[in-house]
Amino acid sequence: DSGVTQTPKHLITATGQRVTLRCSPRSGDLSVYWYQQSLDQGLQFLIQYYNGEERAKGNILERFSAQQFPDLHSELNLSSLELGDSALYFCASSTGTATYEQYFGPGTRLTVT
Amino acid sequence: AQKVTQAQTEISVVEKEDVTLDCVYETRDTTYYLFWYKQPPSGELVFLIRRNSFDEQNEISGRYSWNFQKSTSSFNFTITASQVVDSAVYFCALITGFQKLVFGTGTRLLVSP
Repeated sequence: DSGVTQTPKHLITATGQRVTLRCSPRSGDLSVYWYQQSLDQGLQFLIQYYNGEERAKGNILERFSAQQFPDLHSELNLSSLELGDSALYFCASSTGTATYEQYFGPGTRLTVT
Repeated sequence: AQKVTQAQTEISVVEKEDVTLDCVYETRDTTYYLFWYKQPPSGELVFLIRRNSFDEQNEISGRYSWNFQKSTSSFNFTITASQVVDSAVYFCALITGFQKLVFGTGTRLLVSP
C-alpha cells in the first residue's frame, strides 16, 4: 500500500459527460501528479501540483482540469468525455519536486461508452 | 527532448532463471534522474529504484540489481533467480529539470513455474 488513495476505483459514463476523480496524497507529501495510462498512448504525465499551485503541465487536454486543495487532496475533472478518454488514471505523490520518487495510487479505471 | 526506450516488449522465463530488462534513455541535460517501476497484474505502480545522473554506482537489493552506464545511456535491471511473483510490467522512467516524468513503453515479464 503506497499510502496514496484514489476514488472511485471504477467509473463508467457516457460520451459528453463530466466526471471528477479524487486523490489523497501520502501524509506529508506536498506534490501531486496525474497520469493517464492507455493502450495506445502508454503512461502519460498530465499535470503536477505542489502545495496548491500548478507546477508542471504535460499533454493534458483543454477538456481536462485539475486542482489541489488546501488539505492537499487533488481532483481531476474530465469533461465532454469521448470514447478515447477511456483509460486508467493514476495519481501519484512525492515529498518535494518530481525528481523525488513518486508513489502511485491504485488508479481509477474510466470507461466511456 | 527526453526519451526512454524499452525495446523488449515481452520476456518469458522459467522460474529461477536470471533476466535482464533493458532501458536506454536520451537527454541533453547533465542532471537527470532515472527510475524503475513495477506494475503487477493488480494494476498499481510500485516504485523500485531512483538513481541520479551523478551516481553511477550499481545497486543491489535482494534479487534485484541495477546497472547504470552513462557511456551507453543505459539503466538496465536484472532479476536474479526469478519467481512467479516477479511477473509484471516493468517501466523505466526519466526526469530532468523540466520536471516531467517520461516513461518507457514497458516490458512485460512472464515467469512460469
